[in-house]
Amino acid sequence: GAGVSQSPRYKVAKRGQDVALRCDPISGHVSLFWYQQALGQGPEFLTYFQNEAQLDKSGLPSDRFFAERPEGSVSTLKIQRTQQEDSAVYLCASSQQEGRKYEQYFGPGTRLTVT
Amino acid sequence: AQRVTQPEKLLSVFKGAPVELKCNYSYSGSPELFWYVQYSRQRLQLLLRHISRESIKGFTADLNKGETSFHLKKPFAQEEDSAMYYCALRGGGSEKLVFGKGTKLTVNP
Repeated sequence: GAGVSQSPRYKVAKRGQDVALRCDPISGHVSLFWYQQALGQGPEFLTYFQNEAQLDKSGLPSDRFFAERPEGSVSTLKIQRTQQEDSAVYLCASSQQEGRKYEQYFGPGTRLTVT
Repeated sequence: AQRVTQPEKLLSVFKGAPVELKCNYSYSGSPELFWYVQYSRQRLQLLLRHISRESIKGFTADLNKGETSFHLKKPFAQEEDSAMYYCALRGGGSEKLVFGKGTKLTVNP
């Protein structure tokens, strides 16, 4: 079946612009995660949803970052007033449910470049 | 604090040679440990997890709580094993994964 999809795959934004990144999880997956991966680094956790509830947003680096999942399916990560340090690959992952036996499946990522 | 350390940024071996990718972690409780792999132009995917205690594509990893390590090993490397490998930890009732910085493995012919 279809895996996690993300759009756009590439985004170039001028500093100060707002951007919105979309994630379509695997159908029926309850849990959804966003990670940020800077160049040469491993993915870093941003936020986590169970259905439409945002249960953990401890990784969001500033109040310019906002994520939502209003109907418990598609999620959008919004970054306001982008800065150069926001340049990274943004990864979305979904899993069937919470808990030890459920694997996180990753999307291809959106590469954001802020100029 | 939860932390994962992969001391080698780059690792290069010849085909048929043994390979070991190191992973050390910092966590006070009982963590779950994972290895993820990213082949060229592909997405990040789970390779193996310590609770499964299985061998995937000839790779194994044993959790050593005394040394807080979860090294990935393969006795005979193949060219198709060339990829980025990330060690990750999950623990404390949290669903999030904490990743190391990754090791780029190159298997030369």
